[in-house]
Amino acid sequence: EAEVAQSPRYKITEKSQAVAFWCDPISGHATLYWYRQILGQGPELLVQFQDESVVDDSQLPKDRFSAERLKGVDSTLKIQPAELGDSAMYLCASSAGLAIGELFFGEGSRLTVL
Amino acid sequence: DQQVKQNSPSLSVQEGRISILNCDYTNSMFDYFLWYKKYPAEGPTFLISISSIKDKNEDGRFTVFLNKSAKHLSLHIVPSQPGDSAVYFCAANTGNQFYFGTGTSLTVIP
Repeated sequence: EAEVAQSPRYKITEKSQAVAFWCDPISGHATLYWYRQILGQGPELLVQFQDESVVDDSQLPKDRFSAERLKGVDSTLKIQPAELGDSAMYLCASSAGLAIGELFFGEGSRLTVL
Repeated sequence: DQQVKQNSPSLSVQEGRISILNCDYTNSMFDYFLWYKKYPAEGPTFLISISSIKDKNEDGRFTVFLNKSAKHLSLHIVPSQPGDSAVYFCAANTGNQFYFGTGTSLTVIP
């Protein structure tokens, strides 16, 4: 069964360091999402791509976060510099882009900032 | 502004009984409603969905009910099993935009 691949699964870093997460969506899925989930809360959208274009990055803290999906396939989310409050699960998801389609999530990347 | 709300952070149910998880929403333009299940340290997995034009969808032990007039949906799990213990997220979508609730942690007691 096709899956959304994410790496790394776990990342521990010190504040002010740079960190990057990678996501490979299900083949053929045009829409890719990065969500952040803090324990006890629901996933919050950081950025949404349609192919290689950003559709929504209104909740992305652009002073320290950046995301790209250069060829419209895999994507990278970067944080520089990391802050203590960035500790969370970073979830990548993809969909076929149809209104009736559900979102398929990867296993997530757990970030701990010390 | 939270468009999808789950007001019960946790729920405990005896094995074999029914689990009912609730969700409220504010946007009447949502096309689909979805339920996701999440185990610790894993990404959410899709469980069941319902179109906004339906009022019930059933898949095995899982049934979702939609009450559009009340802007309320619920997930029923019958019978509940210990393996159902997880966090359940309600979500709604319009086009390619998805909105999530804060989750309900379900514990099924053997």
